[in-house]
Amino acid sequence: SQTIHQWPATLVQPVGSPLSLECTVEGTSNPNLYWYRQAAGRGLQLLFYSVGIGQISSEVPQNLSASRPQDRQFILSSKKLLLSDSGFYLCAWSVTLAGSSDEQFFGPGTRLTVL
Amino acid sequence: KQEVTQIPAALSVPEGENLVLNCSFTDSAIYNLQWFRQDPGKGLTSLLLIQSSQREQTSGRLNASLDKSSGRSTLYIAASQPGDSATYLCAVRGNTPLVFGKGTRLSVIA
Repeated sequence: SQTIHQWPATLVQPVGSPLSLECTVEGTSNPNLYWYRQAAGRGLQLLFYSVGIGQISSEVPQNLSASRPQDRQFILSSKKLLLSDSGFYLCAWSVTLAGSSDEQFFGPGTRLTVL
Repeated sequence: KQEVTQIPAALSVPEGENLVLNCSFTDSAIYNLQWFRQDPGKGLTSLLLIQSSQREQTSGRLNASLDKSSGRSTLYIAASQPGDSATYLCAVRGNTPLVFGKGTRLSVIA
């Protein structure tokens, strides 16, 4: 069966510090990978998605970036955090195959607080 | 641009009641619609996925319907239980990855 891991679970960082959040998927190959942010009182916002190694699409221009160094690894980074980067960050995966559902499955999330 | 709306934003019902959550979307050119559940401080759990060619999907006490032409979906929960208390999110997939509604926060009172 497939599982998705995110770490850390919680993070408190000062403004201006760097960020690295990691997501890994087990039990599937060549997944589509996604980073979402959920801010208090707001809906889920898609930040980045990737259909393969080194292929990243950005949905929202901001001071965040994403990388996919391995097939089942997705990393969210920032060089300098802003207060507005606080939120709940969720990683998700799906598999697009002929006749498949392309159903998305989410990880447990990382709670980021920028002070 | 696709927009997804969920009404009501919050709902409180007594245990045992049947209930309906609503989801509407502005662009009917979708591939599928997915319903999720989110418990406080947790990730999303996929409940049901309906392909654009389908009218409904069922899983246990949950039944989701889709009327693509009118841009509407409903999630029906039968015989609600306190354990059903959570936020329910719908999301649609068109030519872009999933677009989410803001959710309906459900409280089932024992």
